[in-house]
Amino acid sequence: GENVEQHPSTLSVQEGDSAVIKCTYSDSASNYFPWYKQELGKRPQLIIDIRSNVGEKKDQRIAVTLNKTAKHFSLHITETQPEDSAVYFCAAGGGGGNKLTFGTGTQLKVEL
Amino acid sequence: EAQVTQNPRYLITVTGKKLTVTCSQNMNHEYMSWYRQDPGLGLRQIYYSMNVEVTDKGDVPEGYKVSRKEKRNFPLILESPSPNQTSLYFCASSFGPPREQFFGPGTRLTVL
Repeated sequence: GENVEQHPSTLSVQEGDSAVIKCTYSDSASNYFPWYKQELGKRPQLIIDIRSNVGEKKDQRIAVTLNKTAKHFSLHITETQPEDSAVYFCAAGGGGGNKLTFGTGTQLKVEL
Repeated sequence: EAQVTQNPRYLITVTGKKLTVTCSQNMNHEYMSWYRQDPGLGLRQIYYSMNVEVTDKGDVPEGYKVSRKEKRNFPLILESPSPNQTSLYFCASSFGPPREQFFGPGTRLTVL
């Protein structure tokens, strides 16, 4: 089955700096790669996703890149703000099976 | 309002006492799923359902049962709970696994 590894597990940045979270996946058939943000005590919510026919996608301060050959994808947050502090999860799925496999999460802290 | 609801939100029980956590969605989604969230382990899929009467195991199905008799409902059943099932549980729904998952508010379960 699919295996998703996510790094780092914790990330601390200064406000205004950029943050990068990286994930690797094992199943070359996976074709859907979403990123979820979970604020403390809340449910996970989708912030951006990318499909395997696209190499990069941007939405304001957030971008995701995908390298299918290397089987890794990354989340980039620019000009970080305190409200970006949360746990971020990557996931991979949509291949031959019907599962969505999540990474173990990254606790991002944006310090003033 | 489009939403996924779960009940109860909090539950403390004892080993071996059967329990059911309900999940309901009003978005006419075909795909529904249960996840458990544990520190350091991320979100792990327990069971999923592609449609009414169609269910399949996720990555950690042991000790759990599900049923999908109606499109909107997907209850999670623990017939003989054990302390290692103490966790935060999320139900989610979507139009398919390679689509945005809408999560419920979560159920925090403690098994003594």
